[in-house]
Amino acid sequence: QVQLQESGPGLVKPSQTLSLTCTVSGGSVSSGGYYWNWVRQHPGKGLEWIGYIYASGSTSYNPSLKSRASISLDTSKNHFSLNLSPVTAADTAVYYCARLEYNSGWQPLDYWGQGTLVTVSS
Amino acid sequence: DIVMTQSPDSLAASLGERATINCKSSQSVFYDSNNKNYLAWYQQRPGQPPKLLIYWASTRESGVPDRFSGSGSGTEFTLTISGLQAEDVAVYYCQQYYNTPWTFGQGTKVEIK
Repeated sequence: QVQLQESGPGLVKPSQTLSLTCTVSGGSVSSGGYYWNWVRQHPGKGLEWIGYIYASGSTSYNPSLKSRASISLDTSKNHFSLNLSPVTAADTAVYYCARLEYNSGWQPLDYWGQGTLVTVSS
Repeated sequence: DIVMTQSPDSLAASLGERATINCKSSQSVFYDSNNKNYLAWYQQRPGQPPKLLIYWASTRESGVPDRFSGSGSGTEFTLTISGLQAEDVAVYYCQQYYNTPWTFGQGTKVEIK
């Protein structure tokens, strides 16, 4: 059973960098066929896809974030990370990591972490 | 981007009643090459992450009760809960995975009347 767990600071100052890590257990981030995603949810609002990374290191991001997001992979620690910079109060949200499979085409997001709330405030 | 629009924003139904949620996409999410609709439904209970319920518009994820069913094709889709249970109180989201950026509907809150 794949499990994902987000970790990182719960409070970030405006204009600084939000850094989160998603640790994967029960599976390997270096396995082919899986894409590792970040999704966020503003308080009381809907879901917004941030981006993904593949085992090869290739990435894709939501253009709405205007190139502020960066996702990286650490296969030795079996985790992947999100950096978002510079942040504003509008980046206050619950951040989820999630997995999707590519099997003869895209599949839905099937495993999700529990989420971590990040507040941007001075 | 493909815009996903759900209706209604919220609904209240009695225990055992049917609840129906609609989802429209701004462009078709159907691939002719494999005859599949790239449309998923998620359930999000309070304080929990989203949980995958339905994919390919109508295929239930393993372990999902059969009172949940999905239908539709192209740009119009429906999630039906046949026989609403107390544990079904949640927000439900549709999502397209036809192309990036993956996009979600705004959510439909389901409550018990």
